[in-house]
Amino acid sequence: EPEVTQTPSHQVTQMGQEVILRCVPISNHLYFYWYRQILGQKVEFLVSFYNNEISEKSEIFDDQFSVERPDGSNFTLKIRSTKLEDSAMYFCASSPIRGLVPNEQFFGPGTRLTVL
Amino acid sequence: AQKVTQAQTEISVVEKEDVTLDCVYETRDTTYYLFWYKQPPSGELVFLIRRNSFDEQNEISGRYSWNFQKSTSSFNFTITASQVVDSAVYFCALSEAPRSGGSYIPTFGRGTSLIVHP
Repeated sequence: EPEVTQTPSHQVTQMGQEVILRCVPISNHLYFYWYRQILGQKVEFLVSFYNNEISEKSEIFDDQFSVERPDGSNFTLKIRSTKLEDSAMYFCASSPIRGLVPNEQFFGPGTRLTVL
Repeated sequence: AQKVTQAQTEISVVEKEDVTLDCVYETRDTTYYLFWYKQPPSGELVFLIRRNSFDEQNEISGRYSWNFQKSTSSFNFTITASQVVDSAVYFCALSEAPRSGGSYIPTFGRGTSLIVHP
């Protein structure tokens, strides 16, 4: 069964460094998303991406964040200069259609980002 | 604005007990979708169910059942005869209708940690 994959599973970085989290959505899906979950807290929406541009973004998704679909398969989240509070689990998700009906978003296994 | 409240932070039961996880939501929309996700200790998010606001029929899937009550804005989840493998954090989520050009973005509750003891 097709699934969303994410790499790496765990990323450790120093404060101020740039990180790129990678996702491969399910191949025929059109909408892509990033969420984050600070340890022990709820899952929070960051950004959605459709047709090669950001569709929606939350207040969390500030200028430090950017997303890209560099080729036909990858979907990346870049954090330009990481802060301690960026430490969280980051989930990628994709969904198959644009959305009169929100078919469930398929989530990847997550990347745990630890900022030291 | 949409809001999801899962008042139970943690529930602890013994195997074979039935357990109900509560979810109360707030929305001004008449069209919305409700979801439950399971997050096992391994960390991934596993989709369990989607329910739209026009369908109040309760649903049963094996040991899982869901009770959607629009009158009380609740979408509760019951596990019958719980098992150790049910131990996980369970999230309830709500998606309102998107703005023009937007997509359905779920708002998650804080989750309920279910611990099933053998």
